[in-house]
Amino acid sequence: NAGVMQNPRHLVRRRGQEARLRCSPMKGHSHVYWYRQLPEEGLKFMVYLQKENIIDESGMPKERFSAEFPKEGPSILRIQQVVRGDSAAYFCASSPESGTRDYGYTFGSGTRLTVV
Amino acid sequence: QQQVKQSPQSLIVQKGGISIINCAYENTAFDYFPWYQQFPGKGPALLIAIRPDVSEKKEGRFTISFNKSAKQFSLHIMDSQPGDSATYFCAARSGGSNYKLTFGKGTLLTVNP
Repeated sequence: NAGVMQNPRHLVRRRGQEARLRCSPMKGHSHVYWYRQLPEEGLKFMVYLQKENIIDESGMPKERFSAEFPKEGPSILRIQQVVRGDSAAYFCASSPESGTRDYGYTFGSGTRLTVV
Repeated sequence: QQQVKQSPQSLIVQKGGISIINCAYENTAFDYFPWYQQFPGKGPALLIAIRPDVSEKKEGRFTISFNKSAKQFSLHIMDSQPGDSATYFCAARSGGSNYKLTFGKGTLLTVNP
């Protein structure tokens, strides 16, 4: 069981470029959640996806950010035209069914995005 | 609006001592309160969690104390060890959403040998 796999671990982008962050959930998990962690801040919910469906994107900025979880392949968080304020650690979590239940859900090691 | 307030921001404890981290919340709809431990370069890992119908939960050296009337909960680490040095986050889940966690800002714990 490889756990939640995120790649790349580190990503450097120049202002205006696009950033693509990938998340492969744990085997058997079909629910994916993305969180963002700004420096010296707690994690903030961005989006919740099931296969081919966005369930809740209430925490995601309305512009430049999008997420998908296709039938095949990893979940992708896409940030277009990145700005310095997008520099953060982006964490993905997965669960076998909706919700955290009593055991919480499992986070990946994150992608640290730096915009220069 | 910060819905979960965590303190202190940082904490230094001697080996063998007790580490105490406090959190307070405002939303009475929260129904599940986990604590996460995060080492540098890693994702948060669930440490221990409690529901509001219980006043205390203990797992090994880690204990959550919960005060529903005061809307506060705390993490106690007994016999703190250098390996416990990490950032600790409290969190809360809204009963109206079984998946969305609201996190505190974190406490950087350093346990000196």
